[in-house]
Amino acid sequence: DAGITQSPRHKVTETGTPVTLRCHQTENHRYMYWYRQDPGHGLRLIHYSYGVKDTDKGEVSDGYSVSRSKTEDFLLTLESATSSQTSVYFCAISGDRAGGYTFGSGTRLTVV
Amino acid sequence: GQQLNQSPQSMFIQEGEDVSMNCTSSSIFNTWLWYKQDPGEGPVLLIALYKAGELTSNGRLTAQFGITRKDSFLNISASIPSDVGIYFCAGQPDSGNTPLVFGKGTRLSVIA
Repeated sequence: DAGITQSPRHKVTETGTPVTLRCHQTENHRYMYWYRQDPGHGLRLIHYSYGVKDTDKGEVSDGYSVSRSKTEDFLLTLESATSSQTSVYFCAISGDRAGGYTFGSGTRLTVV
Repeated sequence: GQQLNQSPQSMFIQEGEDVSMNCTSSSIFNTWLWYKQDPGEGPVLLIALYKAGELTSNGRLTAQFGITRKDSFLNISASIPSDVGIYFCAGQPDSGNTPLVFGKGTRLSVIA
């Protein structure tokens, strides 16, 4: 399998608390992405990165921030978790813009 | 933003039947990709298409890049129980660092 891991795999947190999800890759790929998956909505892009310290917003970025201080790690932070952020979060990596993405196994986040 | 209309949303078929699903858009895409997601896992790339009119097969799967560059279809022949899952189309927009645009998925159920 491609070298991409997400942690944690499952998390339950309380409303109002900060949460950070981690995506780690060993492929030295330039591009990294964070998606959320909800029933009826498919995969929606939250934020993405096209290089170290280079990030941009996706279609559902409100309430989320990201950081990429080194090639292999892309962190997604929920500053103050809300119940609407209960979802499954997927990280993806890509070596070039036109190539297919490799997805991680996901993080199931529940905000209570 | 750009959107992909994927249909059908869900399908229930008998084992051994052929399956067809498609994606359409009002925008032009440079690349079309098809992914499959098994329960509890991230999507996995099945087929990538890079040229208008291209027809590509991967075992029992066949996909085509529409000649107008605004659509793509995926066919699965002689379905088997392990074909169960969610199938996503994705399109690469024409320019810049813009990430893939994903359809909302087709959920396939196979009845033995």
